[in-house]
Amino acid sequence: DTAVSQTPKYLVTQMGNDKSIKCEQNLGHDTMYWYKQDSKKFLKIMFSYNNKELIINETVPNRFSPKSPDKAHLNLHINSLELGDSAVYFCASSQDRVVWFFGPGTRLTVL
Amino acid sequence: AQSVSQHNHHVILSEAASLELGCNYSYGGTVNLFWYVQYPGQHLQLLLKYFSGDPLVKGIKGFEAEFIKSKFSFNLRKPSVQWSDTAEYFCAVNNNAGNMLTFGGGTRLMVKP
Repeated sequence: DTAVSQTPKYLVTQMGNDKSIKCEQNLGHDTMYWYKQDSKKFLKIMFSYNNKELIINETVPNRFSPKSPDKAHLNLHINSLELGDSAVYFCASSQDRVVWFFGPGTRLTVL
Repeated sequence: AQSVSQHNHHVILSEAASLELGCNYSYGGTVNLFWYVQYPGQHLQLLLKYFSGDPLVKGIKGFEAEFIKSKFSFNLRKPSVQWSDTAEYFCAVNNNAGNMLTFGGGTRLMVKP
């Protein structure tokens, strides 16, 4: 069974559209994250949720809105997509900040 | 705030050469340290981690890393690389008070057959 899964794996869309990426973890971890990996492979934290509560919100445009319906899911909704949003988005989960699992990534391409 | 620096952005080696990738972090307190590998087109995989105890940690695929507290370093080593080690390598740090992993900029390793 996949520990952290993301859908879709690839997402190609036009500028201005709204899209969502879903993430699920079956590890029972309390904390989930979204990371963005840009074209230079730099990984940067975007959001973190602990038991459905937002605990980290880095300097991310408010077009990005995470939603955690329960502690096993953390979805990312992006409004009015821009070219600069093209990246690979990784979901991750953690338990007590010592065990970390990453999802397979979602490659978003904005045309 | 914590930060991580990886000074080698690109490394090219021949098979059987020895590898050392540098990683330095800035945080004065207790830290947990990690090395991740990302093979082309794939997700991050944990190579090894350090929390406490023996500063020399051994990971998967023959990798090891040494935590030197006085130098704020956690360099990754492998005595003899293989072509299949071609990948991007990320050092990451998490402090006990924080809630996230902070990554270095990554080092792209290319191993020539």
